[in-house]
Amino acid sequence: GAVVSQHPSWVICKSGTSVKIECRSLDFQATTMFWYRQFPKQSLMLMATSNEGSKATYEQGVEKDKFLINHASLTLSTLTVTSAHPEDSSFYICSARDYRGLGADTQYFGPGTRLTVL
Amino acid sequence: AQSVAQPEDQVNVAEGNPLTVKCTYSVSGNPYLFWYVQYPNRGLQFLLKYITGDNLVKGSYGFEAEFNKSQTSFHLKKPSALVSDSALYFCAVRDMETDSWGKFQFGAGTQVVVTP
Repeated sequence: GAVVSQHPSWVICKSGTSVKIECRSLDFQATTMFWYRQFPKQSLMLMATSNEGSKATYEQGVEKDKFLINHASLTLSTLTVTSAHPEDSSFYICSARDYRGLGADTQYFGPGTRLTVL
Repeated sequence: AQSVAQPEDQVNVAEGNPLTVKCTYSVSGNPYLFWYVQYPNRGLQFLLKYITGDNLVKGSYGFEAEFNKSQTSFHLKKPSALVSDSALYFCAVRDMETDSWGKFQFGAGTQVVVTP
């Protein structure tokens, strides 16, 4: 199967600090990863598309200077929430695009990171 | 633009009864369709997908879904629900004609509650 990990699974930080979340594809290479945000009992909101070796593509309304994305290798993408504030508290989920084999092309999701900003 | 509708916020079913979770979609080209399940405070788990071929797709944990092009639907089904199937279910679509990055559009989600 295709396994995606996220670290940390939860984090509590003070307002004004920065938090880095890692997303790793464990058994496949992912040139494309996605970062989502999910509010309680709501659907996933795509924040950005992360491509290995190039700049991320952000969705409309997402501040690229606040949510820094780096995709430095084929198995790792990071999301850094800079100068976090309480309104940034949310559940952040990453996914990795697996398109090995004919007709694959599926997104596999990490377990999510619960961010709480005090 | 692609969109997905899950018309039911919640589906209640007794254990052992058939379970259906509805999904309709709108795309300009050919769709890739997916179902995922989410348990509390967890990421999404892949259940099944339709790319091409047979309209009836079988997936994990006894789930299946039927692609109906004329009705633009991709309903998720399970013949006999288990209490452990209680979770949040998401339908997702990718428009093959307009998107090259593999971005998904997710439905709002349907909470499934299976009672003993």
